This record gives sequence, structure tokens and C-alpha cells, in this order.
Amino acid sequence: EDQVTQSPEALRLQEGESSSLNCSYTVSGLRGLFWYRQDPGKGPEFLFTLYSAGEEKEKERLKATLTKKESFLHITAPKPEDSATYLCAVQAHGGSQGNLIFGKGTKLSVKP
Amino acid sequence: DAGITQSPRHKVTETGTPVTLRCHQTENHRYMYWYRQDPGHGLRLIHYSYGVKDTDKGEVSDGYSVSRSKTEDFLLTLESATSSQTSVYFCAIKSAVSNTGELFFGEGSRLTVL
Repeated sequence: EDQVTQSPEALRLQEGESSSLNCSYTVSGLRGLFWYRQDPGKGPEFLFTLYSAGEEKEKERLKATLTKKESFLHITAPKPEDSATYLCAVQAHGGSQGNLIFGKGTKLSVKP
Repeated sequence: DAGITQSPRHKVTETGTPVTLRCHQTENHRYMYWYRQDPGHGLRLIHYSYGVKDTDKGEVSDGYSVSRSKTEDFLLTLESATSSQTSVYFCAIKSAVSNTGELFFGEGSRLTVL
């Protein structure tokens, strides 16, 4: 069964304190792994797509990496505005079009 | 901005009543999706559409039906709402110009079934 597990469930950081969020996945052939940011009361906002082990993507203070079993979202010198829930999702080869399997998310709080 | 509008944004209804949620898009995307989001669960696919009058079931389709009579509108109907359908519902599209599979989501419709 395709599955996505995110850890930790919640993470509190001080402003400037770098850290990483983890997304472990089991899937029958990975078509793509996706990271989203979700603010309270809003829809998920697309951040990155990764396709193959070793791939990396960066956007401002965020960097996503991918191995054959997991992905990391590294946050460098976070600011309070980075506070949000970060969602990881995978799409499997042969899966229904657009059927992304989502993890439960990591809620990040960055204190000034 | 993926040009998605969901309506209503908030609705409170009673058990047994029918409810229809609307997703409207302005950019002629072929693929549209309905997901639900609940505490303790990740987003889960309810139904999706790959064209006008072409729809298919997702992971949690029981109790829901959909219709797509125009490219721009994708309707989600709960024929007889139950308390277990209290949730936040998100519509999503797959960009017509993207080959990379990511979805873009609307702002959500919060449904409470009493």
C-alpha cells in the first residue's frame, strides 16, 4: 500500500534556527514527490516537485532533497513568516491521474 | 493563482440534507479534483474529472457524486449529508501547461453537518 509519513508532527524553532522536516514514503514506483505549504484557512500552496533520487530544489530559505525512501525539506535561517503546515505528497506510477497520496503534515512554528 | 473559485466557502447543514459544492476555474484546465481534509488524515481524493462528462472515483468516493457539464465547473454533491462528511473540501486542478503532475488548490469549502 502506498504510504507517506511525515515527521515530526510539529516543530517549534527560534528565528534563525535551521532544521529539517522529513517525509518517508513507500510507493510502487515513484512518479513524483511534491511539497506544499498550507497556511491556516487556506488551500495548499505548491512548493516543489522532485522526481528522482539525488534531485534537489531550492526556493528562498527552503531546499528539498530526495532519496529512494525519503525526502527532506531543509529550512535555513527561518523567519516567523515561514510558520505554516508543510505537506508532502507522492504520486505513483500507474496511479489514477492526480491521485496524490498525502502525509498528515508537519506544523512549523517559528518564534521571533 | 490557479484561477480556482470554490463556493460556498462555509456551509452548515443538517444530517440528511443534500449539499452541492462548486468549483469554478477560468483557465480551461482539463483535469479537476475534489479532495477532503480532516484532522489526523492527509488530504484524500474523492473524485476527479479528466474532461467534460468524464469523471472517476478516488479513494473516498462513497456518499459523494460529481458532475462536470462544462469545462469550467466541477460540482461535488452529497446526496444526503452525514456527520462524517463534516470536513474541509478542496478543489484542485492540474495545470494544462505543466507536464510535471503537481496540483494547484482552491481556498477550500468548510462544511459542517449537524
